[in-house]
Formats: sequence, C-alpha cells, structure tokens
Amino acid sequence: DVKVTQSSRYLVKRTGEKVFLECVQDMDHENMFWYRQDPGLGLRLIYFSYDVKMKEKGDIPEGYSVSREKKERFSLILESASTNQTSMYLCASRPTGTGRNEQYFGPGTRLTVT
Amino acid sequence: DQQVKQNSPSLSVQEGRISILNCDYTNSMFDYFLWYKKYPAEGPTFLISISSIKDKNEDGRFTVFLNKSAKHLSLHIVPSQPGDSAVYFCAASTGGAGNMLTFGGGTRLMVKP
Repeated sequence: DVKVTQSSRYLVKRTGEKVFLECVQDMDHENMFWYRQDPGLGLRLIYFSYDVKMKEKGDIPEGYSVSREKKERFSLILESASTNQTSMYLCASRPTGTGRNEQYFGPGTRLTVT
Repeated sequence: DQQVKQNSPSLSVQEGRISILNCDYTNSMFDYFLWYKKYPAEGPTFLISISSIKDKNEDGRFTVFLNKSAKHLSLHIVPSQPGDSAVYFCAASTGGAGNMLTFGGGTRLMVKP
C-alpha cells in the first residue's frame, strides 16, 4: 500500500511566522503535489514536483514555496504566514508511466493562522 | 473561473437507494476524469476513473458515466450504504494520464440508515 505521511495533523501559527509543512511518501513516486482544500472550492494545486530539485507552480503559488531535496520528501513553506492561509493542506504523490492518473493523498494538515 | 463544477454541495439518500453525484466541466481538452472520496480528518482516496474514449466505467457498486457532448459526468452508487457518507470530489486532467488534476468543489453525501 502507498503511504503518504504529513508531519502534523493540526498546526496553529501566528501571522508573520515561517511555516514548514513536511510530506513523505514511501513508494518511490516521481511526482509529488501540494494542495489546499477550502469549503466549496475543492482542492487547489499550489505546487508540484516531477523530480528531485524540480518544481512547478500550480494554480495558487503566491505566498508559498517548496523544496524537494530527496525523492521521498516534499516540503511546503509559508515564508510569512497570513490569516488567509488558514486551510487544510494536502500532499499527494503519483508514479510516472503507469498510464493512470490517480494521486495518493496524505491525511492532511489543518493549519490555523491567528 | 472553476473549470470543474459540482453544483450540489450536499445530497441526502436513504440506505439501499441510488446516489447520483454530478459534475460539469468547461474545458473541452479534459480527457481523463476521476472521482475521489474523502472522510473527515483523512485525505481523499481514489474511487473510480474514466477515459474520454469511454462513456461508462463500472466497479462494483460504483459506476461513472461520461457525456462528452454535454461536458458532464456522474457517479452512481447502487445500493447506497451508510459507510458511503463522505465528501466526493470529481477531478479532470488533460493530455491523458500523467498530468495535473483540476478538482471540483465537492459534494457531501449523507446516506441515512
């Protein structure tokens, strides 16, 4: 079974703090993704990575950056947290070349910025 | 503008009956569609998918129908069970398997015993 883990289930940070969200997958997947989930808006892609040290912007990258130094780990960074970044953050991974497009998700991190 | 829309935020169904969840899309380049189920405090899990070369895909109690001319897909669950109560997201991608997913806003399904 594919396992995607996220470092925290719940996180409370203050405005202006630097926030790190960590994601690890154990299935040697090339592709990893960060989404945020907000009511009525579904999942929106923040950044994705198709290889180590490679990253691509998604639909809403503003205010975020990412790091992928190792294949299994993909980090999301909020350089200066703001209240509008309060959300559920979901990490996902997917292999390349299977002919299928399913992504495997972690349990999510609910971030509250006060 | 949302390219994938689920116009019903919630749906309530009696156990044993059919649940029909709907999804509309605007981008005619989408050619691969997926449904995910999400329980509270868990990440979404993949349920079923369909390629645009098909109009129906079935897996047990779950069937997805695709109407390309109407840019509409639906998920049928028969019979519905209380354990199916969850939020369901449809998602779409372009260029075949391998590209980014665009998600709808989700529909909360409640199956009453």
